[in-house]
Amino acid sequence: DTAVSQTPKYLVTQMGNDKSIKCEQNLGHDTMYWYKQDSKKFLKIMFSYNNKELIINETVPNRFSPKSPDKAHLNLHINSLELGDSAVYFCASSPQPGHYGYTFGSGTRLTVV
Amino acid sequence: AQSVTQLDSQVPVFEEAPVELRCNYSSSVSVYLFWYVQYPNQGLQLLLKYLSGSTLVKGINGFEAEFNKSQTSFHLRKPSVHISDTAEYFCAASFNAGKSTFGDGTTLTVKP
Repeated sequence: DTAVSQTPKYLVTQMGNDKSIKCEQNLGHDTMYWYKQDSKKFLKIMFSYNNKELIINETVPNRFSPKSPDKAHLNLHINSLELGDSAVYFCASSPQPGHYGYTFGSGTRLTVV
Repeated sequence: AQSVTQLDSQVPVFEEAPVELRCNYSSSVSVYLFWYVQYPNQGLQLLLKYLSGSTLVKGINGFEAEFNKSQTSFHLRKPSVHISDTAEYFCAASFNAGKSTFGDGTTLTVKP
């Protein structure tokens, strides 16, 4: 039973389209995150939710909108996709914010053509 | 500014040799430190963490790391590597509640 699951695993789409990535965790954690990993494997945090409340919102274009319907789910919606959005997006969770290690999902590889 | 620096972008090593992957951090506040491993086309997996207490922490797969406050380092070590240890390794730090900052990664390549 996968602890943090993301769907889809691969996503190929055209510029200008809108797409969503879904994430679910069954660990009972309170905190969930979205990270972006670029082609050089650099990881950068995008958003974090704690018990459905947004607690981290880094400098990300407002075309990216997270949504947490409950503490087990964190989705990422992207409007008007651009070539530069191509990356691997990772969802992660932790028991609480900050001083715990993360459990990561397997990633969603987004390719914008 | 608070940051994490991995000193080596690539580390090639022969099988059964020891390895050290270096990580330094910069912080004026308390810090919590982590090492993660990422195998090709997979997510990151937590190897070990330092929160407090003993400065030598042991993790999975035979890895260990030592927290050195005076040198602001948290180097990862393994006495004998296997081919299967070939992966990307990330050092991360939590400087305040809410997020971890990741280093740029070190590619460990174990050669037969």
